[in-house]
Amino acid sequence: AQTVTQSQPEMSVQEAETVTLSCTYDTSESDYYLFWYKQPPSRQMILVIRQEAYKQQNATENRFSVNFQKAAKSFSLKISDSQLGDAAMYFCANNAGNMLTFGGGTRLMVKP
Amino acid sequence: SQTIHQWPATLVQPVGSPLSLECTVEGTSNPNLYWYRQAAGRGLQLLFYSVGIGQISSEVPQNLSASRPQDRQFILSSKKLLLSDSGFYLCAWTYPGHRLYTFGSGTRLTVV
Repeated sequence: AQTVTQSQPEMSVQEAETVTLSCTYDTSESDYYLFWYKQPPSRQMILVIRQEAYKQQNATENRFSVNFQKAAKSFSLKISDSQLGDAAMYFCANNAGNMLTFGGGTRLMVKP
Repeated sequence: SQTIHQWPATLVQPVGSPLSLECTVEGTSNPNLYWYRQAAGRGLQLLFYSVGIGQISSEVPQNLSASRPQDRQFILSSKKLLLSDSGFYLCAWTYPGHRLYTFGSGTRLTVV
């Protein structure tokens, strides 16, 4: 069984500042992927970034980057130069086999 | 290109009434299909997934059932809705063995 835990129900960041969202996971699989999804008020699920577990290099997508600590089973998301449009729910997810398991989410608020 | 359609967008149903939510995928064949439920302010809970026609795996025992009558069609049903069935239902698909999940726009179900 897989579990994903997001310990921060809410986070707040000042516009243009940097914020880090935390995620820990547990899996018995050796072949798995990790994801961060953004869910704006429209509730559409938008893929932010993806990390293959076999890759040591942390994934980066423009202002979004991850800190993947495989031994610690930690997968945090860093958002640099935060923008008002970044305000949303963020979900960490783990995929192994046919299963995609989500954490409980972190609501990110961006202050102008 | 591939697209996923989910309807209806919003549904209000009385307790004890039946339910049928439909999800179809275009532009691909033999996709893996998924139904998730999201309670208010919570994460996504996997309800059912399917790797082929007539093949349904259930993750959570409940008042709901799923069927896959055609390759690109996935249906979520209930014979008698409960108040606890209220929530936001999302359909998703991926290519078998791939790790990119695409989500539908969701159905907001309110049981009254």
